[in-house]
Amino acid sequence: NAGVMQNPRHLVRRRGQEARLRCSPMKGHSHVYWYRQLPEEGLKFMVYLQKENIIDESGMPKERFSAEFPKEGPSILRIQQVVRGDSAAYFCASSPPGGAVTEAFFGQGTRLTVV
Amino acid sequence: AQSVTQLGSHVSVSEGALVLLRCNYSSSVPPYLFWYVQYPNQGLQLLLKYTSAATLVKGINGFEAEFKKSETSFHLTKPSAHMSDAAEYFCAVSTAGGTSYGKLTFGQGTILTVHP
Repeated sequence: NAGVMQNPRHLVRRRGQEARLRCSPMKGHSHVYWYRQLPEEGLKFMVYLQKENIIDESGMPKERFSAEFPKEGPSILRIQQVVRGDSAAYFCASSPPGGAVTEAFFGQGTRLTVV
Repeated sequence: AQSVTQLGSHVSVSEGALVLLRCNYSSSVPPYLFWYVQYPNQGLQLLLKYTSAATLVKGINGFEAEFKKSETSFHLTKPSAHMSDAAEYFCAVSTAGGTSYGKLTFGQGTILTVHP
């Protein structure tokens, strides 16, 4: 849905660099979810955030990955020291207060390529 | 825990033919069920959702799905395929409440090809 804005749409990083993916939720939405889509696979849940809080990070790799959703500004998914296996499409979804998944909308995704 | 299985990673139909994409789910609590469509290099667009109201759910673009609890299924159908339906389709399940609230579990996806 065009209302959830992700940038950049495409990101190329060399191995060992950092990748920062941004997600601006729809107006009025205060909950953000990040998903990763590896080649030839479905989407896998990574993390669920509210403003200034991580609610559920059970899908986040233990190392190199972090996410935040500050009081002001977009949600950021940060991947440090990227490796080839991080190459994937990363999707953000947002939902209104209450976190109703039935009202979640997805962004266009950021396609990360690690070379 | 919840899971989704989409039977058939590729489905091919002729234009005008019936579209049937299969989805079976597993959930320990009453589920919410969704079908999303993804066009190449695009995000996910919600086709329809089941949230414990009517078991036959109608969505956009002429698609519909029926929730069958006894079969733990939520198959997606469209009576007559159109070339513009060619895309990848994902079935997803979620549950309300607790930390899983808002967390979708997706199937592997089914690529639909429509032949003229």
